[in-house]
Amino acid sequence: DAKTTQPNSMESNEEEPVHLPCNHSTISGTDYIHWYRQLPSQGPEYVIHGLTSNVNNRMASLAIAEDRKSSTLILHRATLRDAAVYYCILRDNLASGTYKYIFGTGTRLKVLA
Amino acid sequence: NAGVMQNPRHLVRRRGQEARLRCSPMKGHSHVYWYRQLPEEGLKFMVYLQKENIIDESGMPKERFSAEFPKEGPSILRIQQVVRGDSAAYFCASSPGAGIMNTEAFFGQGTRLTVV
Repeated sequence: DAKTTQPNSMESNEEEPVHLPCNHSTISGTDYIHWYRQLPSQGPEYVIHGLTSNVNNRMASLAIAEDRKSSTLILHRATLRDAAVYYCILRDNLASGTYKYIFGTGTRLKVLA
Repeated sequence: NAGVMQNPRHLVRRRGQEARLRCSPMKGHSHVYWYRQLPEEGLKFMVYLQKENIIDESGMPKERFSAEFPKEGPSILRIQQVVRGDSAAYFCASSPGAGIMNTEAFFGQGTRLTVV
């Protein structure tokens, strides 16, 4: 299984940018990098995903290293509602050509008012 | 377009009873995944199903647990003879069909099972 490594926890001040790092040194050429977040007592929520190029959407930006062995999720202005556990995931390629997610332990983001 | 629907949201069972957890995927999605989350831990993959087929059950305990995704109706995760260690949140996710690499899966709000 492809694996990712993330810091256990991070803190940010409200209204400031947050950079959440993820290492995935064993990534294969066809693995997409997905980010999800989980708010307390809720199911995981999709944030963003990418393959090689940096990606932007209304929630966040994803910066992918040139060698693809690491990536960074960027929240441009953290709010209290962004306090959650953030998971960096590589889709696991099954022999059938279909995919599943393998979750790591994630980064618990605390946002300070 | 409704999201992934799981029911019940909360389920209490006595030891030895059966638990049935239901998951209705998003409209147009034919792939369903089940995950288990123990308190203060990450999500652990259990099983991956397509309509009428189990694709990967490598995360399912060998005994007491089973899953199905019939041609009609929701996916069902069934736990027989529950024990206290089965107490957890069970999440279902769905995604579009095979061959679509550049897509995400959508998760339900989970069923919180408590075994007393």
